[in-house]
Amino acid sequence: AQSVAQPEDQVNVAEGNPLTVKCTYSVSGNPYLFWYVQYPNRGLQFLLKYITGDNLVKGSYGFEAEFNKSQTSFHLKKPSALVSDSALYFCAVSAGFQKLVFGTGTRLLVSP
Amino acid sequence: SQTIHQWPATLVQPVGSPLSLECTVEGTSNPNLYWYRQAAGRGLQLLFYSVGIGQISSEVPQNLSASRPQDRQFILSSKKLLLSDSGFYLCAWTGQGNTEAFFGQGTRLTVV
Repeated sequence: AQSVAQPEDQVNVAEGNPLTVKCTYSVSGNPYLFWYVQYPNRGLQFLLKYITGDNLVKGSYGFEAEFNKSQTSFHLKKPSALVSDSALYFCAVSAGFQKLVFGTGTRLLVSP
Repeated sequence: SQTIHQWPATLVQPVGSPLSLECTVEGTSNPNLYWYRQAAGRGLQLLFYSVGIGQISSEVPQNLSASRPQDRQFILSSKKLLLSDSGFYLCAWTGQGNTEAFFGQGTRLTVV
């Protein structure tokens, strides 16, 4: 069965500094990996995905993620954080285009 | 373009009452459909997913059921709500051409 681990409940970073939100996964076969962001009382918004190809994936709002097969990781990164990036971030994995499983989420807090 | 509708946005129901949450997708055919529950603003728990009409996979034993009477309609139901059914319920879809999931705005259910 596939699973996702987000080891940090919360990440704190100062505005302008780089940020990393960690994600590791477990899946049989080739993984399809995703990052989503959630603002309070709203649905999830898609940020980026890795299906195949380049290990560095660029997405919305300046976010990027690096796929590392040997470490089974898919960490979310941004070179310079904004206060408006403060939200709840979810990593997700699927094996094929069916069952999509999410991690427990990481709260990102960017301080001015 | 594709859109997903989920309603109602908020719902307060007494213990023991029935539940019906509806989700519909427009602008696509044969989507994969999902119901998730999010408790306490954190992790998403996959409740049900469906790859076609009448095909429902249940992920966890619970007081809920799901049905897919039409290709783009997904319904979450309960015959008798429990206090523990309170939470934020999210519907999502993935398509054959789009590997990422698109989410509805969610339903905040409070069982009193």
